[in-house]
Amino acid sequence: GAGVSQTPSNKVTEKGKYVELRCDPISGHTALYWYRQSLGQGPEFLIYFQGTGAADDSGLPNDRFFAVRPEGSVSTLKIQRTERGDSAVYLCASSLKGGWDTGELFFGEGSRLTVL
Amino acid sequence: GDSVTQMEGPVTLSEEAFLTINCTYTATGYPSLFWYVQYPGEGLQLLLKATKADDKGSNKGFEATYRKETTSFHLEKGSVQVSDSAVYFCALHLGANSKLTFGKGITLSVRP
Repeated sequence: GAGVSQTPSNKVTEKGKYVELRCDPISGHTALYWYRQSLGQGPEFLIYFQGTGAADDSGLPNDRFFAVRPEGSVSTLKIQRTERGDSAVYLCASSLKGGWDTGELFFGEGSRLTVL
Repeated sequence: GDSVTQMEGPVTLSEEAFLTINCTYTATGYPSLFWYVQYPGEGLQLLLKATKADDKGSNKGFEATYRKETTSFHLEKGSVQVSDSAVYFCALHLGANSKLTFGKGITLSVRP
């Protein structure tokens, strides 16, 4: 597709359930990022992939959060035993190789997660 | 740690008014600085950037100058349009890191 695609756009779940959020980056982009944006806050970094490997996962808040990118393209963010505090918009971004030569990340519209 | 502080919002202006959105930063080194914009129903997109002190980034009539002495990167536009209504985020990146650090964002509404 032309841009970064995220599904679902909205997800409502109950506390304690498992959730998967999917990101389709721009074709050919090797770098992929996940951010979380809580209400009234700016995006907060979660994890960065270069190709298939997680190059930096220092932003994952705890071991309930995990992300994969098995073929170096699509990525899935997985949240186990969801808590109400996990409610947020989860943003995915991609860039051609790491982005820092241009500073440009291309963001999807986000997946809004609501945990009841 | 590294951080970005943006002025409190929201901001409401009339069309053709002058815009300033303040942004200051705290960083352990010399970061690159960015403004990202999120239009309604769209993803965040890069508006402009500056990579070293005294650089000026510009795009779509917006400008911001990297001021090391005041650790600031204020966004300005001489004459706003209704189509500029959006959420604006200031962000920084330090060379050794893989991530962007964002401010809280500010909502701009421009009325006709």
